[in-house]
Amino acid sequence: DAKTTQPNSMESNEEEPVHLPCNHSTISGTDYIHWYRQLPSQGPEYVIHGLTSNVNNRMASLAIAEDRKSSTLILHRATLRDAAVYYCILIPAGTALIFGKGTTLSVSS
Amino acid sequence: DAGITQSPRYKITETGRQVTLMCHQTWSHSYMFWYRQDLGHGLRLIYYSAAADITDKGEVPDGYVVSRSKTENFPLTLESATRSQTSVYFCASSESATVYGYTFGSGTRLTVV
Repeated sequence: DAKTTQPNSMESNEEEPVHLPCNHSTISGTDYIHWYRQLPSQGPEYVIHGLTSNVNNRMASLAIAEDRKSSTLILHRATLRDAAVYYCILIPAGTALIFGKGTTLSVSS
Repeated sequence: DAGITQSPRYKITETGRQVTLMCHQTWSHSYMFWYRQDLGHGLRLIYYSAAADITDKGEVPDGYVVSRSKTENFPLTLESATRSQTSVYFCASSESATVYGYTFGSGTRLTVV
């Protein structure tokens, strides 16, 4: 199974950048790196995904290490609404999204 | 309205009864998925479908049946509900299982008494 390692929890202050790390040392060449988040009492929400290159969208940026063994989700200015569980997931070809435990992000005002 | 909708939002049923959870998406996405979420177990994949009439088992398929006669619908049936199937169920859709992001519905909270 494609596995990831994330810290159980992280804390941030509002309006500061947040860097959420993810290690995936056993990643294979065709594994996509996906990030999702789940706000309290809501369904999961897609954040961003990538394969080899860094990616930016309106929600966040994804920085992928050159050897692809780690990645970092960057929230440029945290808001209270960004408090959620963040999941870093590898999806091998021919499979589907399998969730791990994720990182619980707390944001303080 | 465009999107992915689940029904009902809440359901209480008795042990042994059959219950069907509905999922409908308006994008004509090829892939659809069912997950359950329980305290202490997180989100787990039950079944998924790559296209109409094609389904595959996920992590926890036992006790569930799915069908996909139309691209836009992916119902999940509990043929004989058990208390251990009390959970929040999420449906999702995507144009791909790997290359595109998944969009999730709002969930169905099922209680089996």
